[in-house]
Amino acid sequence: DAGVIQSPRHEVTEMGQEVTLRCKPISGHNSLFWYRQTMMRGLELLIYFNNNVPIDDSGMPEDRFSAKMPNASFSTLKIQPSEPRDSAVYFCASSLASGGNIQYFGAGTRLSVL
Amino acid sequence: AQSVTQLGSHVSVSEGALVLLRCNYSSSVPPYLFWYVQYPNQGLQLLLKYTSAATLVKGINGFEAEFKKSETSFHLTKPSAHMSDAAEYFCAVSLPRGGYQKVTFGTGTKLQVIP
Repeated sequence: DAGVIQSPRHEVTEMGQEVTLRCKPISGHNSLFWYRQTMMRGLELLIYFNNNVPIDDSGMPEDRFSAKMPNASFSTLKIQPSEPRDSAVYFCASSLASGGNIQYFGAGTRLSVL
Repeated sequence: AQSVTQLGSHVSVSEGALVLLRCNYSSSVPPYLFWYVQYPNQGLQLLLKYTSAATLVKGINGFEAEFKKSETSFHLTKPSAHMSDAAEYFCAVSLPRGGYQKVTFGTGTKLQVIP
C-alpha cells in the first residue's frame, strides 16, 4: 500500500494568493482528517470527513479555509486568500471505521506564506 | 471530553539509558490510548495502542507502555535508547467506539539521545 499521499510537499506563496493542498487517503479507508502543525499551537485538527461527508469542521480557523472530499480517494484543503500566519505543516490522515481509531498520516505539506 | 497531558516538552537521555516519556489522560470512560512517533520532516506513525486488553502494550522498535487506571497514566518506556530513537513522541486518546473517530493528541515530547 502506498500510504497517504499528500501534494505538494512544499509550497511557497505570497500573501493573498490561493493555496490548494491535496490528499489521497489509503484505499478503503472511510475517514479523513486534516491537521495543522505549528511550533506555537502543536497539532490541531482542522476538519474530519466520514464517508466523504464533513462531520466536524469546528477546527477550521476561519472562512478563508475550506475543504472538500469529492470522492473516497481525494480531498483538498484550500486557503484563499493566504496570510503569513497560515505558514505551517499541514497533514492529512486517514483511518478505517473498523480499525480501532488508528490514523495513518501522510508526510505533510510545508506551507510558507511570504 | 477526553484529553492527554504530556509532561516535559524535551527529554534528553544517553545512548543505552532508559527512556521514559510521561503521559496522563482524562476521559469519562475507559479510553483508547496511543503513542505516535514523528521523525523529522515526516508524518506521525503509530508506535503502539491500548484498547482495554492487556495493560502492558508492546510496540515497534522496542517501546512499550503500561496503562494504569489508578494513576490515569500511559507512560512510554524503552530499556535502552538508541540514536535512531531521537524524534518527537505524541500521546493520544480517543473514545473506545466507532462513529466519530476523533483522536486528541498531546503537545508532544522531543527526545534527544546523547552519544
